[in-house]
Amino acid sequence: GAVVSQHPSWVICKSGTSVKIECRSLDFQATTMFWYRQFPKQSLMLMATSNEGSKATYEQGVEKDKFLINHASLTLSTLTVTSAHPEDSSFYICSASGGRDYNEQFFGPGTRLTVL
Amino acid sequence: GQNIDQPTEMTATEGAIVQINCTYQTSGFNGLFWYQQHAGEAPTFLSYNVLDGLEEKGRFSSFLSRSKGYSYLLLKELQMKDSASYLCAALDSNYQLIWGAGTKLIIKP
Repeated sequence: GAVVSQHPSWVICKSGTSVKIECRSLDFQATTMFWYRQFPKQSLMLMATSNEGSKATYEQGVEKDKFLINHASLTLSTLTVTSAHPEDSSFYICSASGGRDYNEQFFGPGTRLTVL
Repeated sequence: GQNIDQPTEMTATEGAIVQINCTYQTSGFNGLFWYQQHAGEAPTFLSYNVLDGLEEKGRFSSFLSRSKGYSYLLLKELQMKDSASYLCAALDSNYQLIWGAGTKLIIKP
């Protein structure tokens, strides 16, 4: 089946630093990758959609200068949280589509970010 | 606007059957997904329905009625490991997933 990995699985950083999260599709080419954020006891919130080789499309209310997304290849997308603050602490999940079923999204295991 | 409604929490007994309902209102419709999410983990795919009717997959079944904007996930022979949140998500005309808030299912012995 389609496998998506994320790295790191958890990260703790100081306020003001930047954190990069990688999302990789291991056994298929992901034409589209999605980045979600999930706060405790809440549902997934889509942050942005990225297609390989083009700029990401950000959801309303998501600062594109703060959450930098790069989808440089069909197997890798990165999310960089710049100048992180405690309120950015959350569970960040990526998903990828482009596998056997166009409509299906395959999720990475998520990255738990804690900003001190 | 676009909206997905599902119960916040449900409780069921090990070995029993539970049905989790979901109603949706979206701009266009290209199918409905159910995902399972254990605490602290990413969602895992359970089912996808785009045509009316029931899709059965082992202990889990999913039903869709497009005319009613309604779906349900049916879990049979409940096991303790089924304790999780179940997320309903509809694919709109732009192939964007609209997510429900999830239903937390608690299984009691």
